[in-house]
Amino acid sequence: DVVMTQSPLSLPVTLGQPASISCRSSQSLVHSDGNTYLHWFQQRPGQSPRRLLYKVSNRDSGVPDRFSGSGSGTDFTLKISRVEAEDVGIYYCMQGTHWPLTFGQGTKLDIK
Amino acid sequence: EVQVVESGGGLVQPGGSLRLSCAASGFSFSSTWMTWVRQPPGKGLEWVGNIKEDGSEKFYVDSVKGRFTISRDNAKNSLNLQMNSLRAEDTAVYYCARYARSPELWGRGTLVTVSS
Repeated sequence: DVVMTQSPLSLPVTLGQPASISCRSSQSLVHSDGNTYLHWFQQRPGQSPRRLLYKVSNRDSGVPDRFSGSGSGTDFTLKISRVEAEDVGIYYCMQGTHWPLTFGQGTKLDIK
Repeated sequence: EVQVVESGGGLVQPGGSLRLSCAASGFSFSSTWMTWVRQPPGKGLEWVGNIKEDGSEKFYVDSVKGRFTISRDNAKNSLNLQMNSLRAEDTAVYYCARYARSPELWGRGTLVTVSS
């Protein structure tokens, strides 16, 4: 199985400051069709998860442009340019390239 | 409204069975892969399984193979998860989601508690 490793697991951030979450996979996430199926999810307290970014860097509808994704192969990053109060929650990366699908452990972002 | 709504959760004894359902609306259900993802209390997300648009292909995480079965009724826009031989470690919120290379439209989830 592909192991997804996120860091840090806890991320206290000052409002208005940037934040960055790393996600590394134990195997390349480049699919035979040429796509890289690495996605990011946000789970706010008490809510269901919500997809933020798909295929590394594509923002879902309604996702603020302060969220961005980058990376390739086995190394990926989610960046928030300026953290707002509504960004508090747990962030997960997930790979959809290999069966079984696997998630990272989650990174808990809160406000300092 | 485009949504999926899970139901059927509850308390069940170890070794027992439970059937979860997911009602889809607002999109072309029969044209979409669907998925189940679970989240144990206070823990992270775990993919459970996927089913192809016409039900002809199904994939499961190893820990539920042989015990859980995903099915769908495209005429009723309904997705199901039959869970047998339940164990304490199956305790979780179970989410249904529309799947397009990743879960993209999530429900609110339904809680399954396996305990005596």
